[in-house]
Amino acid sequence: DAKTTQPPSMDCAEGRAANLPCNHSTISGNEYVYWYRQIHSQGPQYIIHGLKNNETNEMASLIITEDRKSSTLILPHATLRDTAVYYCIVRTDYGGATNKLIFGTGTLLAVQP
Amino acid sequence: GAVVSQHPSWVICKSGTSVKIECRSLDFQATTMFWYRQFPKQSLMLMATSNEGSKATYEQGVEKDKFLINHASLTLSTLTVTSAHPEDSSFYICSARFLRGGEQFFGPGTRLTVL
Repeated sequence: DAKTTQPPSMDCAEGRAANLPCNHSTISGNEYVYWYRQIHSQGPQYIIHGLKNNETNEMASLIITEDRKSSTLILPHATLRDTAVYYCIVRTDYGGATNKLIFGTGTLLAVQP
Repeated sequence: GAVVSQHPSWVICKSGTSVKIECRSLDFQATTMFWYRQFPKQSLMLMATSNEGSKATYEQGVEKDKFLINHASLTLSTLTVTSAHPEDSSFYICSARFLRGGEQFFGPGTRLTVL
């Protein structure tokens, strides 16, 4: 069962902010929101994760709505190298032995020159 | 971030042969490793989860006798595709998780082509 919903594709101009939405209306109280991306023919790369507070790191910012039913990944200044499929995943039990990342279809972000 | 390596990065084999893919966590101990498969233009599909020193747990629909997983140490897991057939041709990706903490790190993937 799909736990997240993402648009299949988005375009963004180089140098502009890329805002990638994700709906997770059935998220549980102990589930985190994780974002990964996969550049063509490579393994997925971790970007950021959060529980309920907004998070920022050197790659991106994660904005989670107050009701936690949706979130937005923000790449502040997109470059051509950010062209990739971006996956939003919700997962329980941080550090638990049985939790696992289940990938949906993701959003293909195409950064245009 | 932590580094996960895979070997080989690509392999071509004849139908009916077996192929072994290695996954190593280079700078951390991984009690849990995961194996995914990805067909062209599709998302990653989890095949199995392996914990160091115990048998792997396979996802529904994945043949455990065909995809043998061994996780003998905290830094090494292997996936053996037995009696490979052309339909097994795919991109195989492993992932490893810290001893403590849930963040998963992914290897670069292995492209298997079965002729």
